[in-house]
Amino acid sequence: GQQLNQSPQSMFIQEGEDVSMNCTSSSIFNTWLWYKQDPGEGPVLLIALYKAGELTSNGRLTAQFGITRKDSFLNISASIPSDVGIYFCAGNTLQGGSEKLVFGKGTKLTVNP
Amino acid sequence: DGGITQSPKYLFRKEGQNVTLSCEQNLNHDAMYWYRQDPGQGLRLIYYSQIVNDFQKGDIAEGYSVSREKKESFPLTVTSAQKNPTAFYLCASSIAGATYEQYFGPGTRLTVT
Repeated sequence: GQQLNQSPQSMFIQEGEDVSMNCTSSSIFNTWLWYKQDPGEGPVLLIALYKAGELTSNGRLTAQFGITRKDSFLNISASIPSDVGIYFCAGNTLQGGSEKLVFGKGTKLTVNP
Repeated sequence: DGGITQSPKYLFRKEGQNVTLSCEQNLNHDAMYWYRQDPGQGLRLIYYSQIVNDFQKGDIAEGYSVSREKKESFPLTVTSAQKNPTAFYLCASSIAGATYEQYFGPGTRLTVT
């Protein structure tokens, strides 16, 4: 099946640093999404991208939908302790006549105060 | 407040027992989904339902069953046939035709011993 390769797997940074993570695939996706999951909680949608080349911001977060439709990145600027969590990318695609989301394995972010 | 509730937060069962996980939403969403999450893994789709009284298998449906008798409710039964049932289970919902914007509940952690 379709897979998303998310990297890095984990990151350890100092408060105030910028962060970048990305997702790549051999398949084309119609929509890219980025979620954040706090420990023991459900993922929360951060940013949704609908068009190839689209660049969207949400506060200190910026994400882009790759031109080839096979990749996306998420940047976090000036990280703060509450940015800690696992960030998942997800791509929306059509399979067997139904739309479905495919998820990456996540990037675990640790921010040291 | 609109949202998705899953109960209970933690569930413990003996091997060989069936167990049902609850998912309720008051977002008036037509579509609902069940995912399984294992440590270090992305979310994997178990079942989904786009309308009342209809549901489809996801990527890992074996050993699970669902029902969709009401728009607001989409319970998941983990049967004794599921070989590795211990996991974090997440329910999500979306408006019809908008699979790409799913909203998640807080999850249920099931432990089977």
